[in-house]
Amino acid sequence: DGGITQSPKYLFRKEGQNVTLSCEQNLNHDAMYWYRQDPGQGLRLIYYSQIVNDFQKGDIAEGYSVSREKKESFPLTVTSAQKNPTAFYLCASSFLAGGDNEQFFGPGTRLTVL
Amino acid sequence: DQQVKQNSPSLSVQEGRISILNCDYTNSMFDYFLWYKKYPAEGPTFLISISSIKDKNEDGRFTVFLNKSAKHLSLHIVPSQPGDSAVYFCAASSINAGGTSYGKLTFGQGTILTVHP
Repeated sequence: DGGITQSPKYLFRKEGQNVTLSCEQNLNHDAMYWYRQDPGQGLRLIYYSQIVNDFQKGDIAEGYSVSREKKESFPLTVTSAQKNPTAFYLCASSFLAGGDNEQFFGPGTRLTVL
Repeated sequence: DQQVKQNSPSLSVQEGRISILNCDYTNSMFDYFLWYKKYPAEGPTFLISISSIKDKNEDGRFTVFLNKSAKHLSLHIVPSQPGDSAVYFCAASSINAGGTSYGKLTFGQGTILTVHP
């Protein structure tokens, strides 16, 4: 049963602490993405990766870091440098070949910084 | 600079009627467009897409129209059902851009659709 999993569903952290959000996919997708959604706003791209051991900054990368050591995994670390980390975080993945850019999304992680 | 815009934050429609959701874009390099549906506290799910070589794509109750000269696309849902109530996002990409831009989607702000029984 293929898909994208994100854990945990809800996450609470104290201000000043780094926190890592997990994203795993078993769809054999080449590319993986991290988005952030805030109330009343669309999805904004944080980071994306097209191949293992390579990734690019999206539109709002400041205060975040990622790694892509395995094709299946793309964890996102929200650092203490992120000024407003409370948000709903979405991970997605897609094939790159064939020009079809349909991205499949995970269920999301809601991060609340207290 | 918002390259993909959904100017209507919300839309309310009676069950059985047509829902029309609109989306405008400014980047002429965009050549592939998608619509996603999202329920609260869940990830978006893909609905329908259209390539810039077409001006219409249909899938069941959902039809997407693309007007390249106006840089405008719309999603029609006929007939609308209460289960269609959700947030709808349009997204765009440049599939022929190559390099690090390949595969990158730019999303609009979303439109909340409410279908009343």
